[in-house]
Amino acid sequence: GENVEQHPSTLSVQEGDSAVIKCTYSDSASNYFPWYKQELGKGPQLIIDIRSNVGEKKDQRIAVTLNKTAKHFSLHITETQPEDSAVYFCASIIQGAQKLVFGQGTRLTINP
Amino acid sequence: NAGVMQNPRHLVRRRGQEARLRCSPMKGHSHVYWYRQLPEEGLKFMVYLQKENIIDESGMPKERFSAEFPKEGPSILRIQQVVRGDSAAYFCASSPRPAGAGTDTQYFGPGTRLTVL
Repeated sequence: GENVEQHPSTLSVQEGDSAVIKCTYSDSASNYFPWYKQELGKGPQLIIDIRSNVGEKKDQRIAVTLNKTAKHFSLHITETQPEDSAVYFCASIIQGAQKLVFGQGTRLTINP
Repeated sequence: NAGVMQNPRHLVRRRGQEARLRCSPMKGHSHVYWYRQLPEEGLKFMVYLQKENIIDESGMPKERFSAEFPKEGPSILRIQQVVRGDSAAYFCASSPRPAGAGTDTQYFGPGTRLTVL
């Protein structure tokens, strides 16, 4: 089955700097890659997603890139702010399947 | 437009008791997914349901766990004879169409945190 690996597990950056989180997936049939942000005590909140027919997508300070050949995708957050501090999860779905397969999560801390 | 609703938010049970977790999907969504999150871990898929049908239960433990999504009312995740290892956060997600067809975004609820004493 599909396996998603996420790195790093923890990331600390200075406010205003950029943060990058990387994920790799194993099944070439995966075609949908969302990123979720989870704050303490809350459910995962979708922040951006990308489909396999697109290489890059941007939404204000957040961008996601996808390399289908290498089977990896990355989340980029620019001009980080204290409210960006949270746990971030990447995930994938195999075409035709229904379940999200999640990475292990990255705890992002923005230092003021 | 209300999001995915889950209740209770916190549930405490003693070993051997039953736990019932409820999920109301977003308005207009007819596909429900349950995930479990152990402390400091990612979410793991448990089951996918449509109204009155279990579509994929490949992530459900074979014993003590069951799920339903009746024609009327919320989806229910039921855990019988709970054990300490069942302590986790249980999240429900919903989508308007099957997640694999298209592919549609899954929106998550706030979760139910189950503690087994």
